[in-house]
Amino acid sequence: DAGVIQSPRHEVTEMGQEVTLRCKPISGHNSLFWYRQTMMRGLELLIYFNNNVPIDDSGMPEDRFSAKMPNASFSTLKIQPSEPRDSAVYFCASSSPAGQNTEAFFGQGTRLTVV
Amino acid sequence: GQQLNQSPQSMFIQEGEDVSMNCTSSSIFNTWLWYKQDPGEGPVLLIALYKAGELTSNGRLTAQFGITRKDSFLNISASIPSDVGIYFCAGRNNDMRFGAGTRLTVKP
Repeated sequence: DAGVIQSPRHEVTEMGQEVTLRCKPISGHNSLFWYRQTMMRGLELLIYFNNNVPIDDSGMPEDRFSAKMPNASFSTLKIQPSEPRDSAVYFCASSSPAGQNTEAFFGQGTRLTVV
Repeated sequence: GQQLNQSPQSMFIQEGEDVSMNCTSSSIFNTWLWYKQDPGEGPVLLIALYKAGELTSNGRLTAQFGITRKDSFLNISASIPSDVGIYFCAGRNNDMRFGAGTRLTVKP
């Protein structure tokens, strides 16, 4: 299994531009999490999906952030418009739903820099 | 939201020493997980705990799921230089929340 795959690994963009981060979960996993990691705030849960349905998006910081999961093998996190304070490492993780073997596995992350 | 308090924030130890770190929460979790993160990489799962009171080992690592379901600890025995990194606890119900991490430095 290739594990959780995120793209791109690095993204540098100008303030005001739209940014789209991508995630392919592990095949067979039907829970998917998006996290943001910064020195100040650590690993923050932004949103998670069960069976492609967003369950809790209370961690999404602003309306500029949106996430979709159109099918079981793909999810996107979009920031529009981006701001310098969005600079962080964004991680995607996938697992089986709670109640089963609930180990969650992470991708390698996308390091976003907004200038 | 659910808060996980992880301690210590950092540890500086000599190679060969044992290490202990823990997480507490005001909330009950169904699963506790421990991860290690190396620079530039995503967190990697070390140990998963599913039952209150469960004690699980993985090589030199030992972790326990507290009987109240509100805490967990991770021990590393006979530390080696490659143990350097940041260790995170995570509590899972439906979502999954993380502690702030313990940064471990091992001096040869």
